[in-house]
Amino acid sequence: SQELEQSPQSLIVQEGKNLTINCTSSKTLYGLYWYKQKYGEGLIFLMMLQKGGEEKSHEKITAKLDEKKQQSSLHITASQPSHAGIYLCGADPMNRDDKIIFGKGTRLHILP
Amino acid sequence: DAGVTQSPTHLIKTRGQQVTLRCSPKSGHDTVSWYQQALGQGPQFIFQYYEEEERQRGNFPDRFSGHQFPNYSSELNVNALLLGDSALYLCASSRLSLEQYFGPGTRLTVT
Repeated sequence: SQELEQSPQSLIVQEGKNLTINCTSSKTLYGLYWYKQKYGEGLIFLMMLQKGGEEKSHEKITAKLDEKKQQSSLHITASQPSHAGIYLCGADPMNRDDKIIFGKGTRLHILP
Repeated sequence: DAGVTQSPTHLIKTRGQQVTLRCSPKSGHDTVSWYQQALGQGPQFIFQYYEEEERQRGNFPDRFSGHQFPNYSSELNVNALLLGDSALYLCASSRLSLEQYFGPGTRLTVT
């Protein structure tokens, strides 16, 4: 079965600093999702990547999928307190059949 | 346009009881998936409903069952509750295998 490993598990950064979160899959990714979750709340869709080498940006957040489609990174530029939360990567293991396998998440804290 | 809604927000039950959670999908969506998220873990796929039928299922016992109605809303039922069923239950909706949108979740506590 497919497994996703996220690193780091937890991250504390000073406001204004850049940061990167990684997501590594044990198998080829057909689709890679990034979600953000406030503690104890629902998931907010950030981005979906499907093609090897694909890169997408939204505001100060950029996500990339490597050429082999087994690793993705999420980069936040000039972090703000609003970026704090849990970032989850999820994989569609069977090419768009709607079941998402999630990593355990990366907990991001922003220091003012 | 209302997004995915779930009810109730919080729920406290006793071991052995039964519980029903409800989900209304985002407008225009026809597929509903349910996930269980234990504290400190990522969400785990329970099952998915499409056209009022269970289309696929994760590794959860038969105590977990569901239903989808003609208006695409869905229910998740859990029988014979165990302490380990305490979690945040998330509903997600989608259409045509595009992005899944998640609801705010229902926090279930089993005592």
